[in-house]
Amino acid sequence: DTEVTQTPKHLVMGMTNKKSLKCEQHMGHRAMYWYKQKAKKPPELMFVYSYEKLSINESVPSRFSPECPNSSLLNLHLHALQPEDSALYLCASSIHREENEKLFFGSGTQLSVL
Amino acid sequence: GQNIDQPTEMTATEGAIVQINCTYQTSGFNGLFWYQQHAGEAPTFLSYNVLDGLEEKGRFSSFLSRSKGYSYLLLKELQMKDSASYLCAVRVDYKLSFGAGTTVTVRA
Repeated sequence: DTEVTQTPKHLVMGMTNKKSLKCEQHMGHRAMYWYKQKAKKPPELMFVYSYEKLSINESVPSRFSPECPNSSLLNLHLHALQPEDSALYLCASSIHREENEKLFFGSGTQLSVL
Repeated sequence: GQNIDQPTEMTATEGAIVQINCTYQTSGFNGLFWYQQHAGEAPTFLSYNVLDGLEEKGRFSSFLSRSKGYSYLLLKELQMKDSASYLCAVRVDYKLSFGAGTTVTVRA
């Protein structure tokens, strides 16, 4: 299994809603990442987890709350989002944070905030 | 911040060769990656360079010059399915910073 699976693929939410994005990998990777990508822009790093511990938070607003319940799962909890938060949210994993091996990306969740 | 530059768009004919250049100015360097991204899909890994020189992988090759802060991705024998965005990314410490991407359009 060389896949990173993200659910849902599409999500529409209001500014007062609470929702969660989910990411799963079974490759034994110990580093997992959340990226945000606006249309025609490069992916921007949000969070990095290493061995289920948050190691990098790129000054992301607190309305985004990551969680890593175990080595295979990564969640992103969303609350009180703004329309400008509409974007493609990509999850990725790698064997370790410290190694220079490639990232495996999931197919993303296309989020629309109304 | 990291500065990674690549052309916005390129167009080429099926069967031709296209070279996508990437220049970077970053606070460190732990490797340079090229990713392919089709519209609405996740980026997929193409190549990785950490030492100077050319890495060849089938129809795709990638070159790196660390002293010049320069890389290129060479796509040979272009196929219609190669129409996509190509992202240059530089790893600094544990973080991967992406360029804005080059949209390649392959015409018949």
